[in-house]
Amino acid sequence: AQSVAQPEDQVNVAEGNPLTVKCTYSVSGNPYLFWYVQYPNRGLQFLLKYITGDNLVKGSYGFEAEFNKSQTSFHLKKPSALVSDSALYFCAVHGSGNTPLVFGKGTRLSVIA
Amino acid sequence: GAVVSQHPSWVICKSGTSVKIECRSLDFQATTMFWYRQFPKQSLMLMATSNEGSKATYEQGVEKDKFLINHASLTLSTLTVTSAHPEDSSFYICSARDTGAGLSNQPQHFGDGTRLSIL
Repeated sequence: AQSVAQPEDQVNVAEGNPLTVKCTYSVSGNPYLFWYVQYPNRGLQFLLKYITGDNLVKGSYGFEAEFNKSQTSFHLKKPSALVSDSALYFCAVHGSGNTPLVFGKGTRLSVIA
Repeated sequence: GAVVSQHPSWVICKSGTSVKIECRSLDFQATTMFWYRQFPKQSLMLMATSNEGSKATYEQGVEKDKFLINHASLTLSTLTVTSAHPEDSSFYICSARDTGAGLSNQPQHFGDGTRLSIL
């Protein structure tokens, strides 16, 4: 079974500082990993994905994530946080075929001015 | 890019009412759509997988007679909450993947969700 874990419920960071939101995964076979962001009362917006290739994946709004196979991690990062980055972030994984995403519990990011 | 439209965005109704939520893929065809439910400050819980032209596949613990899913075309899936009660109040989100370019490379795209409040 595929699963992801987000160990932090909440991450606080000062504006302009780098941010990291952690995610670890457990899959059988090749992992297809994703990050999404959710703003209040909205659906999820796709940020980035790792399918294969370079371990460092760049996505929307300046976010990037590093795939680390030995640590089974896929942490989301941004070099300089903005107040507007404050939202709920979800790590997700899906298996082969058109199977649905399985989500982590989410991490609330608060960027303080 | 791929867009999923969900309607309505907000519903308030009396207990016992049935509520229909529509999910449309606007610029791609989706043979499969996914329905999720999200409780406050929690993650998304997959309710069912909607399959065009056939029966939906429900996750364990989800009542198929309570949550009726119809996927009559390649761009439309509907979720009907029948005889809704206050415990059905939640945020419902649909999702679809554009499978035209290959399954494994495509992210799921999400509607903006429907906030359902049953009084």
